[in-house]
Amino acid sequence: QKEVEQDPGPLSVPEGAIVSLNCTYSNSAFQYFMWYRQYSRKGPELLMYTYSSGNKEDGRFTAQVDKSSKYISLFIRDSQPSDSATYLCAMTRGFQKLVFGTGTRLLVSP
Amino acid sequence: EAGVTQSPTHLIKTRGQQATLRCSPISGHTSVYWYQQALGLGLQFLLWYDEGEERNRGNFPPRFSGRQFPNYSSELNVNALELEDSALYLCASSLAYSGDTQYFGPGTRLTVL
Repeated sequence: QKEVEQDPGPLSVPEGAIVSLNCTYSNSAFQYFMWYRQYSRKGPELLMYTYSSGNKEDGRFTAQVDKSSKYISLFIRDSQPSDSATYLCAMTRGFQKLVFGTGTRLLVSP
Repeated sequence: EAGVTQSPTHLIKTRGQQATLRCSPISGHTSVYWYQQALGLGLQFLLWYDEGEERNRGNFPPRFSGRQFPNYSSELNVNALELEDSALYLCASSLAYSGDTQYFGPGTRLTVL
């Protein structure tokens, strides 16, 4: 079993839709949770960073962590074609390597 | 402020050769991480350097090695290249022991023929 599971998609939505991206994990020691966005043939770009459980909002993006269920989510409101990319969840115990999900490919059509 | 830079952008080698990839971290960052992103496998952790020392390594054979220089830039060496080493190699940097917030470079695409 992988430490971090993420549906590879692709997830296709129309412009303006609310997008929900999710990851589950098995290691209860993870405390720091991140979402990265990766455009084709580019390096990952840090979108959201959350410590422990709770919600964090930044513009159209909301990150949610539920440590009791070992489940994290990223919500994108009013999705745009420019949001089309692969979204990677990542997590760590702290002062350690990041463990990544395999990424979900998102396609937002005009 | 300049981000993480990597060179070369693309590298083509034949099986058995050696490849050298380079990374310059964000100014002020002392930790450098290397990841391999092979098709369909996601990002796999390779190596972590901080203050010139190797702090951790992932589940890769010893022919993957590297070093960190006094200016905190880093080099990844892959010896005896195999076809399955073809991948995007990503470098990330962070402040000292703040590995939870890593910033990535654009990557070096290595193709082994």
